[in-house]
Amino acid sequence: RKEVEQDPGPFNVPEGATVAFNCTYSNSASQSFFWYRQDCRKEPKLLMSVYSSGNEDGRFTAQLNRASQYISLLIRDSKLSDSATYLCVVNLPRDAGKSTFGDGTTLTVKP
Amino acid sequence: DAGVIQSPRHEVTEMGQEVTLRCKPISGHDYLFWYRQTMMRGLELLIYFNNNVPIDDSGMPEDRFSAKMPNASFSTLKIQPSEPRDSAVYFCASSLAGGVYEQYFGPGTRLTVT
Repeated sequence: RKEVEQDPGPFNVPEGATVAFNCTYSNSASQSFFWYRQDCRKEPKLLMSVYSSGNEDGRFTAQLNRASQYISLLIRDSKLSDSATYLCVVNLPRDAGKSTFGDGTTLTVKP
Repeated sequence: DAGVIQSPRHEVTEMGQEVTLRCKPISGHDYLFWYRQTMMRGLELLIYFNNNVPIDDSGMPEDRFSAKMPNASFSTLKIQPSEPRDSAVYFCASSLAGGVYEQYFGPGTRLTVT
């Protein structure tokens, strides 16, 4: 079993739709969680950190469920520019300094 | 700040040649990471450094790969000899500190070995 698993996708949605991605992690002692975005042929970039109380940034909402060991990303009113691959990232305490990346979920928003 | 800088951006070489990839992390960041990304294997961590010291190189594919960080502002990843299966995008990333902080990626080096 992978340490971090994501919905493989791809997700194809129309503009304006709401879409949600989930990511599960195996180590209950995991400490920090992030969502990154990667555009085609570009480097991954931080989209948002995920806090225990949940957090929102405009149309994006991230939530953490420690009991079930998953994090989620909700995108509301999706735009064409949201088309990208979204990577779930978990920092594991035994790997001081290292992050474990999920394989990513590809989103395509269509007109 | 200029962000993480990588060079070259593209490299095309013949099998058997030596390839050296370069990275300048963000000033003040204590951690530096080298990743490789392919369609088949996704994003793989090769090696990472803390304060210029290699911490975990378990992701380095084989002895043909080596990485150094002679000072806080420079790191190299060397492949000698290169093989076609080494073709990938190689990313360098840095972070302020371990565990809590996010990583910042460079633009990557697209390596093609023919």
